[in-house]
Amino acid sequence: KQEVTQIPAALSVPEGENLVLNCSFTDSAIYNLQWFRQDPGKGLTSLLLIQSSQREQTSGRLNASLDKSSGRSTLYIAASQPGDSATYLCASYGNKLVFGAGTILRVKS
Amino acid sequence: ETGVTQTPRHLVMGMTNKKSLKCEQHLGHNAMYWYKQSAKKPLELMFVYNFKEQTENNSVPSRFSPECPNSSHLFLHLHTLQPEDSALYLCASSQGYPQGGYSYEQYFGPGTRLTVT
Repeated sequence: KQEVTQIPAALSVPEGENLVLNCSFTDSAIYNLQWFRQDPGKGLTSLLLIQSSQREQTSGRLNASLDKSSGRSTLYIAASQPGDSATYLCASYGNKLVFGAGTILRVKS
Repeated sequence: ETGVTQTPRHLVMGMTNKKSLKCEQHLGHNAMYWYKQSAKKPLELMFVYNFKEQTENNSVPSRFSPECPNSSHLFLHLHTLQPEDSALYLCASSQGYPQGGYSYEQYFGPGTRLTVT
């Protein structure tokens, strides 16, 4: 059974810092890996989808990497802003979409 | 309307009430999903429908009853709920159903915040 773990559970940084969110998964036989953002009480916003044949994806200040062999993915956020404050979820695609518990990010101005 | 929509966005119901959650996708997808997100727990898959047929039921209590009349609409009928059923219920859709070593990106709706009193 696939298990997805996200570290840290919560993170507080000053504005302007670069930061890394970590995601690990137990079953490396995944198809894709996706990072989402969730604002309090809201639904999910897709940030980046990395297909199993890819190693990374970039969108603006966000860069996500995938290392299937080690069962890890990272989300790098450059020059963080207060508007980046949210919960970040990673999810692995196998026969099911399995989510991690998320990292709660707070960027202080 | 575009993407995946859900109604209502907020719902408060008593334990003896019967209510329904509605999801509609405008993406021409064939698979639809219900997820539950409880406080401080990861999202949990509840049901999956592919071409209107239920393909997965992840041991969900019978007080939750899904219905998929066509590939664009998905309902979750609720009856005799418990306070611990209070959660955010998310609907998603994808072009196809994972099989044959291939998966499809899922697109999520905004969710229905359910409170059971």
